Amino acid sequence: GQQVMQIPQYQHVQEGEDFTTYCNSSTTLSNIQWYKQRPGGHPVFLIQLVKSGEVKKQKRLTFQFGEAKKNSSLHITATQTTDVGTYFCAGREYGNKLVFGAGTILRVKS
Amino acid sequence: EAGVVQSPRYKIIEKKQPVAFWCNPISGHNTLYWYRQNLGQGPELLIRYENEEAVDDSQLPKDRFSAERLKGVDSTLKIQPAELGDSAVYLCASSPQGGSTDTQYFGPGTRLTVL
Repeated sequence: GQQVMQIPQYQHVQEGEDFTTYCNSSTTLSNIQWYKQRPGGHPVFLIQLVKSGEVKKQKRLTFQFGEAKKNSSLHITATQTTDVGTYFCAGREYGNKLVFGAGTILRVKS
Repeated sequence: EAGVVQSPRYKIIEKKQPVAFWCNPISGHNTLYWYRQNLGQGPELLIRYENEEAVDDSQLPKDRFSAERLKGVDSTLKIQPAELGDSAVYLCASSPQGGSTDTQYFGPGTRLTVL
């Protein structure tokens, strides 16, 4: 079945450093979504990418969808303590359910 | 607008006991999802409802898990009997239409501990 892998599992950065998490699917996706889960909280939708090669920005966050629609990345520029949490990608095959990756835990040292 | 409501927030039971979780989705959302999230993992879909119809329950362990959404609004997920491995956070989510580009809105979850 469809699998979605994320790396790294965990990253600890100094405040102000950049952060990137990568997501890879075993199959071609129709779209991919990114969610953020704060410690003790629930997943909150960040963004959705649909088109091959698509790039979207939200302030310091940059999201990319690969040309083959099998991988994606989330890049945070100049991390802040408010960025801490777990970032999940969730990929959807055509007509199928959303499959979540295991997430990347981000910790920021101030 | 109120978000997805779940209760209880926490539940501790002994193994072999039954347990039930309740979810009220965002008003007007036709699609409702139950997910299980184990520690250090992403949410895993258990069942998806379109209105009152369960359209994807392939990941639901049907020997002990059951779910219902009788009037197409709120939903209940039950485990009977619970096992130690069922300890997890059970998340409910809803979306407007359940389409392939729908955003899912998650509730706060119910953290289940089975002793």
